[in-house]
Amino acid sequence: EPEVTQTPSHQVTQMGQEVILRCVPISNHLYFYWYRQILGQKVEFLVSFYNNEISEKSEIFDDQFSVERPDGSNFTLKIRSTKLEDSAMYFCASRRGRGISPLHFGNGTRLTVT
Amino acid sequence: QKEVEQDPGPLSVPEGAIVSLNCTYSNSAFQYFMWYRQYSRKGPELLMYTYSSGNKEDGRFTAQVDKSSKYISLFIRDSQPSDSATYLCALSDVVSNFGNEKLTFGTGTRLTIIP
Repeated sequence: EPEVTQTPSHQVTQMGQEVILRCVPISNHLYFYWYRQILGQKVEFLVSFYNNEISEKSEIFDDQFSVERPDGSNFTLKIRSTKLEDSAMYFCASRRGRGISPLHFGNGTRLTVT
Repeated sequence: QKEVEQDPGPLSVPEGAIVSLNCTYSNSAFQYFMWYRQYSRKGPELLMYTYSSGNKEDGRFTAQVDKSSKYISLFIRDSQPSDSATYLCALSDVVSNFGNEKLTFGTGTRLTIIP
């Protein structure tokens, strides 16, 4: 069964450094998302992406965050200058198409900012 | 009032028991309802989704939606130790032509099935 893959599984970085989290969505999916889950808290929506542009973003997704689909397979989340509070699990998700098609999540990247 | 409320548990039941997991919500615009299962240090895995009131069954799992009460449930029959995980309800208020829907998650209920 096709799946969403994320790399790395764990990323440790120092405060103020830039990180790029990588995702390969399911190949025939058109809609892409990033969610995050701070330890012990809810899974929260960050951003949705379709047709090479952001379609919606949450309050969390400020100017320090950006997303890109650099080629036909990868989808990345960049955090320009990490803060301690950015420490969380970051999940990539993708969806096939319009209407009622469910999100499929990757296993996440655990980001630890020290 | 939180948009989506879910009892975090933990909930422990003996193997073979019927498990009932629930969420309530306040926003009547939610029209698309999902249940995800999340094992430790893994991503949410979709179990079931529905967009209408009533019951939907898939094997040992039944999802129930009552839009008038703003209440959704997941029932697990003949529970197995492998069902031990955190169960997340997720709701969406938009099913748009552009697929911009975002999911609003509950906190998750940690379930343990005791052999």
